[in-house]
Amino acid sequence: SAVISQKPSRDICQRGTSLTIQCQVDSQVTMMFWYRQQPGQSLTLIATANQGSEATYESGFVIDKFPISRPNLTFSTLTVSNMSPEDSSIYLCSVTGLAVDTQYFGPGTRLTVL
Amino acid sequence: KQEVTQIPAALSVPEGENLVLNCSFTDSAIYNLQWFRQDPGKGLTSLLLIQSSQREQTSGRLNASLDKSSGRSTLYIAASQPGDSATYLCAVMGWGGSEKLVFGKGMKLTVKP
Repeated sequence: SAVISQKPSRDICQRGTSLTIQCQVDSQVTMMFWYRQQPGQSLTLIATANQGSEATYESGFVIDKFPISRPNLTFSTLTVSNMSPEDSSIYLCSVTGLAVDTQYFGPGTRLTVL
Repeated sequence: KQEVTQIPAALSVPEGENLVLNCSFTDSAIYNLQWFRQDPGKGLTSLLLIQSSQREQTSGRLNASLDKSSGRSTLYIAASQPGDSATYLCAVMGWGGSEKLVFGKGMKLTVKP
């Protein structure tokens, strides 16, 4: 199994600012994903972080708002830009393991925007 | 577009009861289905994964079944304990090699001592 860490674990931010969330995996993985979990809602996939190329975004999510980096096979960042209170959510990083159908999730980053 | 539904949204039971959690999905063309557990302030822990060709999986007191044709899965928890209190999420992965998961909203379970 993969061990995933995320930084920060939580943050409180002011409207209009940006926050970068880091995701670190203890082994090289092919697929990395970023999800959002708004209060009372299900997890929604934001994008797939591709190593060496631009991320693939899901409908409703755009690169200007959620820029993603994936410089290598163990690390990715998600930036939440120009934040508003509607961005208050838990943001989770996930990866697929050696068995591609098994997904492991990080502990999440709880973001509150005032 | 795949949609996953979990009803009810919350359940409170006394310790020792056997429980059935329900999950339904609209598109039966799935690659697999997973049940996760989420504790407050923490990430997701995978409980059981059922491949599309399988009917059920068991782990300890947990048993998950899959009926692809009817678009349903159930998670059975035997002899519930207060430590089982958490939110349980159902998620399906479609075909196509993207490994994307579509989640239900989850069911918050409280097991009272």
